[in-house]
Amino acid sequence: EPEVTQTPSHQVTQMGQEVILRCVPISNHLYFYWYRQILGQKVEFLVSFYNNEISEKSEIFDDQFSVERPDGSNFTLKIRSTKLEDSAMYFCASSDRGRPDTQYFGPGTRLTVL
Amino acid sequence: AQSVTQLGSHVSVSEGALVLLRCNYSSSVPPYLFWYVQYPNQGLQLLLKYTTGATLVKGINGFEAEFKKSETSFHLTKPSAHMSDAAEYFCAVSLSSNTGKLIFGQGTTLQVKP
Repeated sequence: EPEVTQTPSHQVTQMGQEVILRCVPISNHLYFYWYRQILGQKVEFLVSFYNNEISEKSEIFDDQFSVERPDGSNFTLKIRSTKLEDSAMYFCASSDRGRPDTQYFGPGTRLTVL
Repeated sequence: AQSVTQLGSHVSVSEGALVLLRCNYSSSVPPYLFWYVQYPNQGLQLLLKYTTGATLVKGINGFEAEFKKSETSFHLTKPSAHMSDAAEYFCAVSLSSNTGKLIFGQGTTLQVKP
């Protein structure tokens, strides 16, 4: 069964450093998402991406964040200058054309900012 | 603005007992409603969803949920709990079928006792 994959599973970085979280969505999907979950809190929507552009973003998704689909398979989330409060589990999700309401999630990347 | 409330952050049941996980939503327009499950060290897996039509929705692993508009609820049930049902369960709502943005509840951890 096709699945969404994410790398790395755990990323440790120093405050102020740039990180790139990688996702490989399901191959025929066209809608891509990033969510995050701070420990003990809700899963929060960050951004949705379709047709090579952001279709919606949350207030959390400020200028420090960016997303990119650099090739036909990867979908990345970049945080330019990490802060302590960026420590969270980051989930990538994808959905297929015509049914953006059914999202398939990856296992997540745990980001720890020291 | 839409929101989701899950009553009870932890629910404990005995194996073979009824599982009831509560979810209430707030929405000014008809919502799409979802239940996701997260097993340890895994991503979020769709259990079931309500979009339109029949208000009683059946999902995987014997779970079902009923959309009750008058009560703004979408409670998840399973007649007989199994040890393998122990996981975290998330209720989510989406108003937009274009971007697919999901708003999650805070999650309920289900413990199943032998």
